[in-house]
Amino acid sequence: NAGVTQTPKFRILKIGQSMTLQCTQDMNHNYMYWYRQDPGMGLKLIYYSVGAGITDKGEVPNGYNVSRSTTEDFPLRLELAAPSQTSVYFCASSRGQGQETQYFGPGTRLLVL
Amino acid sequence: AQSVTQLGSHVSVSEGALVLLRCNYSSSVPPYLFWYVQYPNQGLQLLLKYTSAATLVKGINGFEAEFKKSETSFHLTKPSAHMSDAAEYFCAVSEWGGTASKLTFGTGTRLQVTL
Repeated sequence: NAGVTQTPKFRILKIGQSMTLQCTQDMNHNYMYWYRQDPGMGLKLIYYSVGAGITDKGEVPNGYNVSRSTTEDFPLRLELAAPSQTSVYFCASSRGQGQETQYFGPGTRLLVL
Repeated sequence: AQSVTQLGSHVSVSEGALVLLRCNYSSSVPPYLFWYVQYPNQGLQLLLKYTSAATLVKGINGFEAEFKKSETSFHLTKPSAHMSDAAEYFCAVSEWGGTASKLTFGTGTRLQVTL
């Protein structure tokens, strides 16, 4: 049971490039989330999904897109990378809502130059 | 919207000393509250959570937290700090919005443990 896995671990992008951050969970969780973590700012929710085919915006969705074609995968797409998107990105999943624990992946560190 | 305030971005304690990390929340309804720990270059890991059962919640690694409704607080404590406790700690509140409950995180407290 690998839990939540993320690839790549680290990436450097040039301004205007695009990339996809991959996230996979093997716990059969319906709920999945993408967060970004900036120094001194805690975690901010980018997008979330309540099941395959259903996604919704979080607090900071601008510049990102997501899809959820399967229960296991929840990729995050950056179309036109900007320096403001330099951050650490975490994917998480949970069995349910409210009191349910979110399980986090190890993160992807992204640097946009 | 609910919010979480963590007082003190950095806390330093000696090994063996009491650890106290503060968290206050704002919520119009009884909340679900969480403490997560993040070790260097890793993801977040659940320490403990309050789900409206017992107000004193025990978690992993000897940590515990007490829910105090009158003070809107959920402070994290550990009687005796260990070097391995050095990490960043996040308090979070579960909030309903849109189509799902979502976590709102505090800005984190970095715990340093010295000899």
